[in-house]
Amino acid sequence: NAGVTQTPKFRVLKTGQSMTLLCAQDMNHEYMYWYRQDPGMGLRLIHYSVGEGTTAKGEVPDGYNVSRLKKQNFLLGLESAAPSQTSVYFCASSSWGAGWEQYFGPGTRLTVT
Amino acid sequence: RKEVEQDPGPFNVPEGATVAFNCTYSNSASQSFFWYRQDCRKEPKLLMSVYSSGNEDGRFTAQLNRASQYISLLIRDSKLSDSATYLCVVTRALSAGNKLTFGGGTRVLVKP
Repeated sequence: NAGVTQTPKFRVLKTGQSMTLLCAQDMNHEYMYWYRQDPGMGLRLIHYSVGEGTTAKGEVPDGYNVSRLKKQNFLLGLESAAPSQTSVYFCASSSWGAGWEQYFGPGTRLTVT
Repeated sequence: RKEVEQDPGPFNVPEGATVAFNCTYSNSASQSFFWYRQDCRKEPKLLMSVYSSGNEDGRFTAQLNRASQYISLLIRDSKLSDSATYLCVVTRALSAGNKLTFGGGTRVLVKP
């Protein structure tokens, strides 16, 4: 099993550009999450989903949108990138059957200039 | 005040020594607690859950003090491979979306 994968691994955007980060999991987990990690700030939850077709806001949702059209995929969109969105983005998934442990993807390093 | 606070370190530890560090949380409604490990430029991975009675996993011991609202991690006989950032994680309810709140991490450097 690949676990949780993220695409792309690195990206540089100019201010105002848009992009979509893709997260995929092959563990049949119900829950999926998007976090951002900034130095000294820990991981902060952006959005999460408790099932296909449902999404909810986390701690820092502004400037981001998400979609969960398929159970195995969770997309994070930036409509108009800002330098403040320079960060490392991690996707994670979890399930009751897996003891609620959150499994993380390898991360996407995004720089907005 | 941050909901979960950790000493960022680094804790410089001689190989074979014992190191311990704490994490404080502000929300008394927090129900579940974990330690995650994060290697440099890698994703976090679950190290261990923290149970009310305290628990041990090999060289790692975790304790929970609900009265003072902190959890601790102790590493015995430190190995070079223990060098990492240790993230304290709390959650209010595993079933309600399993939303985790992360501390900023404590960096541990084990040196020969």
